[in-house]
Amino acid sequence: EADIYQTPRYLVIGTGKKITLECSQTMGHDKMYWYQQDPGMELHLIHYSYGVNSTEKGDLSSESTVSRIRTEHFPLTLESARPSHTSQYLCASSDPSGANVLTFGAGSRLTVL
Amino acid sequence: GEDVEQSLFLSVREGDSSVINCTYTDSSSTYLYWYKQEPGAGLQLLTYIFSNMDMKQDQRLTVLLNKKDKHLSLRIADTQTGDSAIYFCAESVYTGTASKLTFGTGTRLQVTL
Repeated sequence: EADIYQTPRYLVIGTGKKITLECSQTMGHDKMYWYQQDPGMELHLIHYSYGVNSTEKGDLSSESTVSRIRTEHFPLTLESARPSHTSQYLCASSDPSGANVLTFGAGSRLTVL
Repeated sequence: GEDVEQSLFLSVREGDSSVINCTYTDSSSTYLYWYKQEPGAGLQLLTYIFSNMDMKQDQRLTVLLNKKDKHLSLRIADTQTGDSAIYFCAESVYTGTASKLTFGTGTRLQVTL
């Protein structure tokens, strides 16, 4: 049973459209993350948040933006999608214990034509 | 900086043992993890090991950690076709203000009959 939900699972849109990828978790975790996954499998951290009203950019520069108005919700927005944004986007949250275990959503696969 | 490396591909026959290897560079890792990703899905935690441990066993899974060589391995006994997936190792390093997770490049495990 998934405790972290991503919608949509699949999205095909045209260039220039604005899109928002939704991510919600029911575990009450303060820490949440967005990863971008290449077709070649490698994961890149693009955004993270350590709590409400806290957002930071990750290791990989991204034109997307995020917000954290509620603990359970961490949406990612692209104002004007381009073909270079085509990728798999994975949302995760981590438990408050010292082990820092991440729980991942099923992912949102975005294709920009 | 942190760097986590894995071989890209491993093929084994059903019933054999699989060993997936990972090397990391940051000696201050606190936890090391193995995640599994099945096609079209997010990452699922398999197991993790605290950095002061040498070995951890969980049913068919055995994790070995060699801190001196900065080498982590995952052994899957009696590999089944359902084990076919991409396996990611990851390390968690405490930066002084927060724990940062770095993922490896992923190893695609193919199980043949």
